[in-house]
Amino acid sequence: DAMVIQNPRYQVTQFGKPVTLSCSQTLNHNVMYWYQQKSSQAPKLLFHYYDKDFNNEADTPDNFQSRRPNTSFCFLDIRSPGLGDAAMYLCATSRDPGQSYEQYFGPGTRLTVT
Amino acid sequence: QKEVEQNSGPLSVPEGAIASLNCTYSDRGSQSFFWYRQYSGKSPELIMSIYSNGDKEDGRFTAQLNKASQYVSLLIRDSQPSDSATYLCAVIISGTYKYIFGTGTRLKVLA
Repeated sequence: DAMVIQNPRYQVTQFGKPVTLSCSQTLNHNVMYWYQQKSSQAPKLLFHYYDKDFNNEADTPDNFQSRRPNTSFCFLDIRSPGLGDAAMYLCATSRDPGQSYEQYFGPGTRLTVT
Repeated sequence: QKEVEQNSGPLSVPEGAIASLNCTYSDRGSQSFFWYRQYSGKSPELIMSIYSNGDKEDGRFTAQLNKASQYVSLLIRDSQPSDSATYLCAVIISGTYKYIFGTGTRLKVLA
């Protein structure tokens, strides 16, 4: 089945210790997104890629970076996690908007910072 | 600042009843609207998309869109306890392919 996969599903890291979250998709979608979601809050867009074109949200901290080495994979790097970065990180994909606007999420990675 | 507003709830309905969830948005140019269901601790799951004014039905779900009033709603007929979840409204910001989400309405279906 075509899908969006995130690894790991749960990640525990220490304060200040870099962490990388990964996302892969078999949907062959052009656009990939990273969201941060905290309890009882809306998913907050961090950045997105249209193919290789990277788009950063103005309020995304510099501590967060992303890489998309190819169509299928996208990574979220948190260089120095703080306690406030503990959240669910969601990867999502969508087709070229000219074809379909529907966005599909992976299962998420729950990040705990100790 | 583009916004999507939802009543946080909880909205409690008895099993078998119709649940009505509402959403308003601020971007008058938005053309694409979505409803997602999110169970506690899980990721959002797309249940409906709507792009034109009027109603769109899919099984027990009906999405309603009124662009003039900047209002979109979701009706769930014959509500089941398994429908208990948070329902997120999402809108694509006009001229972009960025989605903005509401904080969601928590629905509780009472058996």
